[in-house]
Amino acid sequence: QQQVKQSPQSLIVQKGGISIINCAYENTAFDYFPWYQQFPGKGPALLIAIRPDVSEKKEGRFTISFNKSAKQFSLHIMDSQPGDSATYFCAASRGNQFYFGTGTSLTVIP
Amino acid sequence: DGGITQSPKYLFRKEGQNVTLSCEQNLNHDAMYWYRQDPGQGLRLIYYSQIVNDFQKGDIAEGYSVSREKKESFPLTVTSAQKNPTAFYLCASIQPTGANVLTFGAGSRLTVL
Repeated sequence: QQQVKQSPQSLIVQKGGISIINCAYENTAFDYFPWYQQFPGKGPALLIAIRPDVSEKKEGRFTISFNKSAKQFSLHIMDSQPGDSATYFCAASRGNQFYFGTGTSLTVIP
Repeated sequence: DGGITQSPKYLFRKEGQNVTLSCEQNLNHDAMYWYRQDPGQGLRLIYYSQIVNDFQKGDIAEGYSVSREKKESFPLTVTSAQKNPTAFYLCASIQPTGANVLTFGAGSRLTVL
């Protein structure tokens, strides 16, 4: 059973546009929700993360929106740039146990 | 700089051969993980280790083996019993306390010929 469901699988956005990736989870025991960014041939790197006691977290052009009652969270990339083209993974964790979404391949067109 | 080093970056294997992927970290992290990445399937947990000389199976452990003789090292052996081993393999580790930040290595791509 997929613990974390992620959509869309792929996304194409014009430069300057907003990229939105959505995730949903089932287990209410999860207490940490990170997003990872992965470039081809590289390992994922932590982009931004949120805990369930906060509804939104912003770091530069990247924002996580968190809806605890709906068990959903999303990543918003404002003013998307070609350099943001990568695969993005959401995850949910409790302690040292992590569960990942299936990834979203983002392409930002110049 | 602290980090996780995976080697080799690329590896080719003939069917029926065992191969070992190396993972070394100098972050002083207690817990280490191996994930397998396939297109469209995200990251799937193979094995993880919370402390030295202890490890647990993840969701797809069949055909794989690990050891954790040192805190810094967590090698993964892909055995001939793994029926579809061609994939990108990622090693990761986590801080012992605090922010739950999972740090990844750069990965090893295994191709079975």
